Amino acid sequence: DAKTTQPPSMDCAEGRAANLPCNHSTISGNEYVYWYRQIHSQGPQYIIHGLKNNETNEMASLIITEDRKSSTLILPHATLRDTAVYYCIVRAMEYGNKLVFGAGTILRVKS
Amino acid sequence: ETGVTQSPTHLIKTRGQQVTLRCSSQSGHNTVSWYQQALGQGPQFIFQYYREEENGRGNFPPRFSGLQFPNYSSELNVNALELDDSALYLCASSRRLAGDNEQFFGPGTRLTVL
Repeated sequence: DAKTTQPPSMDCAEGRAANLPCNHSTISGNEYVYWYRQIHSQGPQYIIHGLKNNETNEMASLIITEDRKSSTLILPHATLRDTAVYYCIVRAMEYGNKLVFGAGTILRVKS
Repeated sequence: ETGVTQSPTHLIKTRGQQVTLRCSSQSGHNTVSWYQQALGQGPQFIFQYYREEENGRGNFPPRFSGLQFPNYSSELNVNALELDDSALYLCASSRRLAGDNEQFFGPGTRLTVL
């Protein structure tokens, strides 16, 4: 699985958009980009995933650059409950469901 | 709520003891994965079970073993506990072994080894 690089921490004002970057410059053509988050002392929660097109669901939007070497997770209107560790993971589908977690980004949403 | 449950919530053991952690997967899911999360770190993959057989293992010693039952629930067993085994143990279930599908995590079992 390709390695990902994320900033260790970010702050965001409540009600504003939170943009979380992720670099995955060694991503292969068959690898998807997944985002999970983990609120303190809970299990990780799936947010969104994509291959090369931008994706949006009720939680977030995922923007993947054309060369697929980086992506951005966007929480359009961050709330205090979005404070969590956000993990960007790259995974090839045919290799099973193993997820390789890095250190992630600690997002602090402040009022 | 993901529909994945784990028991117990917390557990305290001493070095050298054995422990069994349990996981009930979400309805319709046939694959269960186990992860260990030490304090301040991301989860680390232990192993995965698909249709009652181990399918993939991370860098963990043989004293970490598991089972999956016909109803797809699963157990994680750890023998000869060491202090470094203190961690949050997470299980995750998914609809199938591979493919474009997400994993749903349980709340975890917090194991403390004294």
